Amino acid sequence: QKEVEQDPGPLSVPEGAIVSLNCTYSNSAFQYFMWYRQYSRKGPELLMYTYSSGNKEDGRFTAQVDKSSKYISLFIRDSQPSDSATYLCAMRSNAGGTSYGKLTFGQGTILTVHP
Amino acid sequence: EAGVTQFPSHSVIEKGQTVTLRCDPISGHDNLYWYRRVMGKEIKFLLHFVKESKQDESGMPNNRFLAERTGGTYSTLKVQPAELEDSGVYFCASSQGGPVREQYFGPGTRLTVT
Repeated sequence: QKEVEQDPGPLSVPEGAIVSLNCTYSNSAFQYFMWYRQYSRKGPELLMYTYSSGNKEDGRFTAQVDKSSKYISLFIRDSQPSDSATYLCAMRSNAGGTSYGKLTFGQGTILTVHP
Repeated sequence: EAGVTQFPSHSVIEKGQTVTLRCDPISGHDNLYWYRRVMGKEIKFLLHFVKESKQDESGMPNNRFLAERTGGTYSTLKVQPAELEDSGVYFCASSQGGPVREQYFGPGTRLTVT
């Protein structure tokens, strides 16, 4: 079983739609949760970074973490064609030990926003 | 400020050959990471340098892979001899000192072993 599960999609939505992306995980040691966006032939770019449970909002993006359910979400409001990319969730355990820098990724969800 | 750079962007080699990938982190970043994405799979951690020391190499697949970071600046990842299953995209990332810092990724090196 993978530590992080993410539906690869693809997901296609019309411009202006609300997009919901999700990941589940099995490792209860994960404390830091990230969403990366990756355009084709580019490296992942950090979108959102949250610690433990709760919500975080940044413009059109909202990240939610529910540690009790081991479930994280990213919502994109008023989606734009420029949001078309692969969205990757990533997680890391609490600082301490030798593996504190290691990110564990989901497979990524391919999103297309069409005009 | 320049981002993380990687060279080459694409490499095609034959099985059994040697390839060396290079990563230049953001200036001043003590932490340097290597990740790999094999087609159809998730990005997987390979190893983590703090300055010139290997902090965590738990993700290195086998002894055909050798990573170095002499002087704590750029890093190289050598694959010798390359196998077909080594094909994929190799990403480098860097972050500032301290355990809980954003990792900035490079564009990746696409390695194709034929």
